[in-house]
Amino acid sequence: QQQVKQSPQSLIVQKGGISIINCAYENTAFDYFPWYQQFPGKGPALLIAIRPDVSEKKEGRFTISFNKSAKQFSLHIMDSQPGDSATYFCAASKSGGATNKLIFGTGTLLAVQP
Amino acid sequence: DAGVTQSPTHLIKTRGQQVTLRCSPKSGHDTVSWYQQALGQGPQFIFQYYEEEERQRGNFPDRFSGHQFPNYSSELNVNALLLGDSALYLCASSFTPGLADEQYFGPGTRLTVT
Repeated sequence: QQQVKQSPQSLIVQKGGISIINCAYENTAFDYFPWYQQFPGKGPALLIAIRPDVSEKKEGRFTISFNKSAKQFSLHIMDSQPGDSATYFCAASKSGGATNKLIFGTGTLLAVQP
Repeated sequence: DAGVTQSPTHLIKTRGQQVTLRCSPKSGHDTVSWYQQALGQGPQFIFQYYEEEERQRGNFPDRFSGHQFPNYSSELNVNALLLGDSALYLCASSFTPGLADEQYFGPGTRLTVT
């Protein structure tokens, strides 16, 4: 069973702090790892994504760290703001096949306290 | 540039009924994927349509079917509704599989089965 395991289930961070969410995958054929942000009642929004040929990717306050040997990747949100309060999902897919279906983690509910 | 649109926003159906959900992909995208997101869970892949054909199906029964039209829009049909079908149904659009991996989600259709 292809799985992506995500932790923690929920996270409370003070404004200005660093939020860290971790994911682990099993299928070594996965080669695309996106993070999505979802607000209540909305669809997931693509935040940032990484491929295994790099160990880190940064976009603004969001950074993905990738450890290919450990089959793990994480999202770091620097200078967390109350507006970052949302559910975050990691995902994985395998490109080059008939489809690029996404396998999602179970989500992390982030609350940033002012 | 319009993003992914879905209709209707909300829907209430009775067990045993049939439902049709609609999706228009982001401009320039030719591939549509459907996902089911139960409350508190990550999205689960239902199937993907490309070139008006179902390319791959996730672990969903034949009660779930779909269609893609020449303009790349898509429909998801669910027959013989069960209480467990209550969920947020998400449509994601992307470029041709193999050319790009980014998938962009619509706002979803909230289906409630009573």
